Amino acid sequence: DSGVTQTPKHLITATGQRVTLRCSPRSGDLSVYWYQQSLDQGLQFLIQYYNGEERAKGNILERFSAQQFPDLHSELNLSSLELGDSALYFCASSVTREETQYFGPGTRLLVL
Amino acid sequence: SQQGEEDPQALSIQEGENATMNCSYKTSINNLQWYRQNSGRGLVHLILIRSNEREKHSGRLRVTLDTSKKSSSLLITASRAADTASYFCATGNQAGTALIFGKGTTLSVSS
Repeated sequence: DSGVTQTPKHLITATGQRVTLRCSPRSGDLSVYWYQQSLDQGLQFLIQYYNGEERAKGNILERFSAQQFPDLHSELNLSSLELGDSALYFCASSVTREETQYFGPGTRLLVL
Repeated sequence: SQQGEEDPQALSIQEGENATMNCSYKTSINNLQWYRQNSGRGLVHLILIRSNEREKHSGRLRVTLDTSKKSSSLLITASRAADTASYFCATGNQAGTALIFGKGTTLSVSS
């Protein structure tokens, strides 16, 4: 158990819908990262927050957005969902930007 | 885009044998991390090696880093069936932002 929690574990929804994935980092970790894992693209970095502020963006679509709240938990919002958005979404956290990233168990999203 | 590339893509060995996986990357790094993933589940952190380190050990794991060749290797000694998983290398950049993952090596250890 990494100490990073993610909810829900599984999510099944329809195209065009909007979903919110939630992540609670390890106690004391200020950095939160979101990654997407799909069969064709592998593990791709989406976005990073540090102590409430956005720090880096990767291959995140405009239909996706995220935020980190004052209690440091983070949410990833996916809207206008397409079949290709079906993937495993991971959240990771670290104490500082240069340290080990610990991953949560992931949310498996299936868009039908 | 992929930064790290693991080699081989798949590896099958018998219990008790050693398994070696290699990772090559393209740009300068701050650190390199190895992760294990069991069948589409969460990523488990194995070891982090910094750019100024050449070798690190953790239990049955040995990681080396050669920054001049932009490569790293992960050695698992005395493999067990429970080591069956996918192994990924991930590089951390100087800014300490995203980890860039390779496509992974799928290790199968049979008893």
